[in-house]
Amino acid sequence: AQSVTQLGSHVSVSEGALVLLRCNYSSSVPPYLFWYVQYPNQGLQLLLKYTSAATLVKGINGFEAEFKKSETSFHLTKPSAHMSDAAEYFCAVTLYSSASKIIFGSGTRLSIRP
Amino acid sequence: ETGVTQSPTHLIKTRGQQVTLRCSSQSGHNTVSWYQQALGQGPQFIFQYYREEENGRGNFPPRFSGLQFPNYSSELNVNALELDDSALYLCASSLRGLGLSSYEQYFGPGTRLTVT
Repeated sequence: AQSVTQLGSHVSVSEGALVLLRCNYSSSVPPYLFWYVQYPNQGLQLLLKYTSAATLVKGINGFEAEFKKSETSFHLTKPSAHMSDAAEYFCAVTLYSSASKIIFGSGTRLSIRP
Repeated sequence: ETGVTQSPTHLIKTRGQQVTLRCSSQSGHNTVSWYQQALGQGPQFIFQYYREEENGRGNFPPRFSGLQFPNYSSELNVNALELDDSALYLCASSLRGLGLSSYEQYFGPGTRLTVT
């Protein structure tokens, strides 16, 4: 079975600082991995996805994530935080053959300090 | 291109009642998935519909049921509502076909259901 674990339910950084949101996955076969963002009272927006091509994936709004098989990790980073990045971030996993059931982590709330 | 839309935005129901939530998929998409997101948690997969048939189901009881229509829109029905059914219900659409998996899903804004 697949699962994801997000380390840290709440991360706070200063504006302009590095953003690092951690995600570890568990899967018996090569997974597809995603990061989604959710702003208050809104649905989920896809930030980026890993589908077994390049291990460094670039997404929208300056975010990127690196797939590390040896560490079973898919951490999300952004070099310089902006106030508009404050939101809930979800790491998620699926398999091509799983009827596209996406399994989400419990989320990390990102706060940005002025 | 029209995105995923859901109705209603908010809904308040009483325990034991039944509810129907609606979703219109993104233009060109033929697959709809439904998720339940309880407060402070990540979304949980309920089920997926493809070609008007259920195609995969999460760990939800049979009182959660759905439909997909020929225009690919979908309904989520929940019978005998319980207090724990209070959540944000998210619909996601995707395209599935020859050589394509429907893993790239686009989410609607959700319906906030409160059961009292």
